[in-house]
Formats: sequence, structure tokens, C-alpha cells
Amino acid sequence: EPEVTQTPSHQVTQMGQEVILRCVPISNHLYFYWYRQILGQKVEFLVSFYNNEISEKSEIFDDQFSVERPDGSNFTLKIRSTKLEDSAMYFCASSEDLGQPQHFGDGTRLSIL
Amino acid sequence: GENVEQHPSTLSVQEGDSAVIKCTYSDSASNYFPWYKQELGKRPQLIIDIRSNVGEKKDQRIAVTLNKTAKHFSLHITETQPEDSAVYFCAARDSSASKIIFGSGTRLSIRP
Repeated sequence: EPEVTQTPSHQVTQMGQEVILRCVPISNHLYFYWYRQILGQKVEFLVSFYNNEISEKSEIFDDQFSVERPDGSNFTLKIRSTKLEDSAMYFCASSEDLGQPQHFGDGTRLSIL
Repeated sequence: GENVEQHPSTLSVQEGDSAVIKCTYSDSASNYFPWYKQELGKRPQLIIDIRSNVGEKKDQRIAVTLNKTAKHFSLHITETQPEDSAVYFCAARDSSASKIIFGSGTRLSIRP
């Protein structure tokens, strides 16, 4: 069964640095998403992406964040000037189309020191 | 915007018994309700979903019910097994939105 893959599995970064989290969505999927889960809390929506542009974003997704599909397979989340409170598990997800089930990757654990 | 409430936050049941997790949602426009299972350190895994045009859906030991009028939906797991131990999240999405709004999760423990 095809899966969403994410790299790295764990990223440790100094506060103030920039990080890029990478995802390879399922190949025939058209919608891509990033979610965040702070330890012990619920999964929170960050952003959705379709047809090379953001289709929806949450209030969490401020100017510190950006997403990009640099090629035909990768989908990235960039976090600039990282803060301690950015420490969380970041999940990428994809779906065939709007209204279809979203399938999650294994996540990247981001630790900001 | 949509708000999803989930309870209980923790649930312990004897192996072989049934477990029920309940959720409510606020936005009457929501029409898709997935349930995810998350084992420790793993991805949320879609286990079952239901759309607003049906009231119940079943897949082996798992069933979900939806009451649109009351804006309630529930997950039922029968004949629980040790591998059912995990955190379960309910969620909701409306037809115009791409985002899923998650509940706060239920930590289910199955006692041997």
C-alpha cells in the first residue's frame, strides 16, 4: 500500500535557525497538508496545498512558515527563525482530492534547543 | 470555525469488552467524520470514516454512528484486544474546507 514518507524522522535545531521538513505524498494524490502535534496534545491543522498554491491555512501558519512543492514529488515545510514553542511532531498528509480521506506520514519530530 | 469535543480522555476496558468513544461537533456544515488511531510515536492511522448521508458504518469490530441532528458521533469497538490500546482521535471536516479538525483524543487501554 502506498504511503506518505517524511524526512528526517527527527530534527534537532538551535533556536533562531531555519528548518525544512520534507514529505513525499502518495503519487496520485492532489491535496497535501501539514499538521502539528505538540507532545501529549491533539493534532492541529497548519496548511493545505493544491495546484501549487495554499488552499487553506490556520492561524498558526503565520509568516514564519512557508510551503513549497519544489519538484514533482516533494512537498516541504519551511520554518524560519525557529522558537522553542515550535518543538512538536510535524505530520504531512495527502489525499486524492478534496473530500477524500487524508493519509498521514510517520512525522518529523522537531526539537528546538 | 469547527470545534470538536471528545470524551472520555482516558478509557480502560477489560479485554473482550466493548469500548465507546463519543464526540460532538459544532459546525452543522461538517459532513465528513474520520477516526484515527495513533500508537505511541506513530502516525495517526485512519481506521474508519463516515459521511453525513449515512447514520452508521461498520468494519469488522469497529463501528461508527452519526447523529446529525444532535451533532454527535461515536466510535464503538467490540471484543477489544490488547492491540486496540492506543490514542483514538475523532475529527470533522466540512465540504468546503480541506482541513480536518481533530478532537483532543482518547487514550484507550485494554486490561488483560
